[in-house]
Amino acid sequence: GENVEQHPSTLSVQEGDSAVIKCTYSDSASNYFPWYKQELGKGPQLIIDIRSNVGEKKDQRIAVTLNKTAKHFSLHITETQPEDSAVYFCAASQGDNQGGKLIFGQGTELSVKP
Amino acid sequence: EAGVAQSPRYKIIEKRQSVAFWCNPISGHATLYWYQQILGQGPKLLIQFQNNGVVDDSQLPKDRFSAERLKGVDSTLKIQPAKLEDSAVYLCASSAGGGGYEQYFGPGTRLTVT
Repeated sequence: GENVEQHPSTLSVQEGDSAVIKCTYSDSASNYFPWYKQELGKGPQLIIDIRSNVGEKKDQRIAVTLNKTAKHFSLHITETQPEDSAVYFCAASQGDNQGGKLIFGQGTELSVKP
Repeated sequence: EAGVAQSPRYKIIEKRQSVAFWCNPISGHATLYWYQQILGQGPKLLIQFQNNGVVDDSQLPKDRFSAERLKGVDSTLKIQPAKLEDSAVYLCASSAGGGGYEQYFGPGTRLTVT
């Protein structure tokens, strides 16, 4: 079945720096890759997603890149702020996403120091 | 629009007791998911409903877990009898359709089994 590996498990940056989180997946048929932010005591919040017909997508300070050949995708956060501190999860669709099932990575705890 | 609602937010029970969780999805969302999130890990799908039919329950421990979605709206997830390893956050998510649609999560129910 699909397997998603996420690195690093923890990341500490200074406010204003950039943060990059990387994920690899195993199922070459996967075609949908969302990223979620989870704050303490809350459910995961969808922050950006990308589909396999696109190589990069941006939304203000957040961008996601996808390399289908290498089967990896990354989350880039620029100009980090303390409120970006949270756990971030990547996910990949199982197969071509006909059923909507997502496989999640293990999470990255991001700490932004003021 | 209102998000995914879940209750209770917290539950503490002893092993071998039973417990039930409730979820109300975003209005009009046909697909409902229950995930289990063990501390320090990403969410793992337990069961997926499309309207009131089960699409995927391959990872649901059916000897102790059950779920239903009557009338294709609200859903309940039950554990009977609970084990220590069931301690986790139980997340409900919904989407407008199956594959290709964004999933939105509720705040989760934190279950502690003692």
